[in-house]
Amino acid sequence: EDQVTQSPEALRLQEGESSSLNCSYTVSGLRGLFWYRQDPGKGPEFLFTLYSAGEEKEKERLKATLTKKESFLHITAPKPEDSATYLCAVQAGSGGYNKLIFGAGTRLAVHP
Amino acid sequence: DTEVTQTPKHLVMGMTNKKSLKCEQHMGHRAMYWYKQKAKKPPELMFVYSYEKLSINESVPSRFSPECPNSSLLNLHLHALQPEDSALYLCASSQGDSVGYGYTFGSGTRLTVV
Repeated sequence: EDQVTQSPEALRLQEGESSSLNCSYTVSGLRGLFWYRQDPGKGPEFLFTLYSAGEEKEKERLKATLTKKESFLHITAPKPEDSATYLCAVQAGSGGYNKLIFGAGTRLAVHP
Repeated sequence: DTEVTQTPKHLVMGMTNKKSLKCEQHMGHRAMYWYKQKAKKPPELMFVYSYEKLSINESVPSRFSPECPNSSLLNLHLHALQPEDSALYLCASSQGDSVGYGYTFGSGTRLTVV
């Protein structure tokens, strides 16, 4: 069964304290891995798509990397406005359609 | 236009009511989706429409009835809901139903069933 696991469940950082969020996956034929940011009561906001092991993408203070078993979202010198839930999702070949399987998310709180 | 627009933003309904959620996009996307999200949980897929035809129904109870009148519009008709159906309902769209296309999500409708 396709599965996505995110850790930690919650993370509290001081402003400027860099860290990484983890997304490990077990899927039959990874077609794509997605990172989204979600603010309370809002829809997920697209951040990155990664397709193959070794791929990296960056956007401001965020950098996403992908291996054959997991992805990391690195946050460099975070600011309070980076506080949100970060969701990882995968597209698997077994779905046959553009079906995203989401992890439970990491709730990030950045304090001044 | 790069948005998915959902209305209403908030909805309170009784268990005997009939209501509808609306989702609209003008990006030319040919796949549209309904997701349900409970508090502190990830979104769960309900329905997938591809080229205006229902392609996936994730065993959703019949009290939820989707409709896709045209390629830009997706509705979710609600009838005889239960309090446990209270959740954030998210609509999303993607360029196609093949793998590799990311989703664009709307801001959701916060539904409360009383």
